[in-house]
Amino acid sequence: EIVLTQSPDFQSVTPKEKVTITCRASQSIGSNLHWYQQKPDQSPKLLIKYASQSISGVPSRFSGSGSGTDFTLTINSLEAEDAAAYYCHQSSSLPRTFGQGTKVEIK
Amino acid sequence: EVQLVDSGGGLVQPGGSLRLSCAASGFTFSSHEMNWVRQAPGKGLEWVSYISSAGTHIYYEDSVKGRFTISRDNANNSLYLQMDSLGAEDTAVYYCARRGFNYNDPFDLWGQGTMVTVSS
Repeated sequence: EIVLTQSPDFQSVTPKEKVTITCRASQSIGSNLHWYQQKPDQSPKLLIKYASQSISGVPSRFSGSGSGTDFTLTINSLEAEDAAAYYCHQSSSLPRTFGQGTKVEIK
Repeated sequence: EVQLVDSGGGLVQPGGSLRLSCAASGFTFSSHEMNWVRQAPGKGLEWVSYISSAGTHIYYEDSVKGRFTISRDNANNSLYLQMDSLGAEDTAVYYCARRGFNYNDPFDLWGQGTMVTVSS
């Protein structure tokens, strides 16, 4: 099983700040890494696919990078509506796995 | 409208059973692999099971193997999860999720979730 480890677990950020969340895989997964946003009492929403590919309708302040075992989700100029939990997810092999999540709070 | 609607959750006693359903609409259901993902209260996402588009390939996460059964009815655009021998550790919101067309695609559409509570 591929283990995904995110850091940090929690981040408190002021609006307009830049947020960086990392996801490390226990073995190489190429670019088969995706990011989701989950707001309280909502279903997860796909933010970035294949490490760096944007999703239609997602604001351009969200971007992703990385390959192999190390990946990054960046939120440029954080907005109040970005308060949420963020999860990475690998589709390289079964079982599909998720990172433990990173909660982003707005100061 | 393209959507997935989860249903069937509720309160069940330990050792009991429950059948979850996911109704798909607005897209060609039979073209997509489908998955169940769960989230225990205050915890992260945990993938549970998947079924291929034709229903010929099925996979389960180890902790539910032998207790849960995933199935689908392409004629009625529905996905199911039969859950038996439920324990407290199965308490969670259960989401159905659609995978894109390709094997490595992410889950691009999610249901709203249905809550399963296992308690006496």
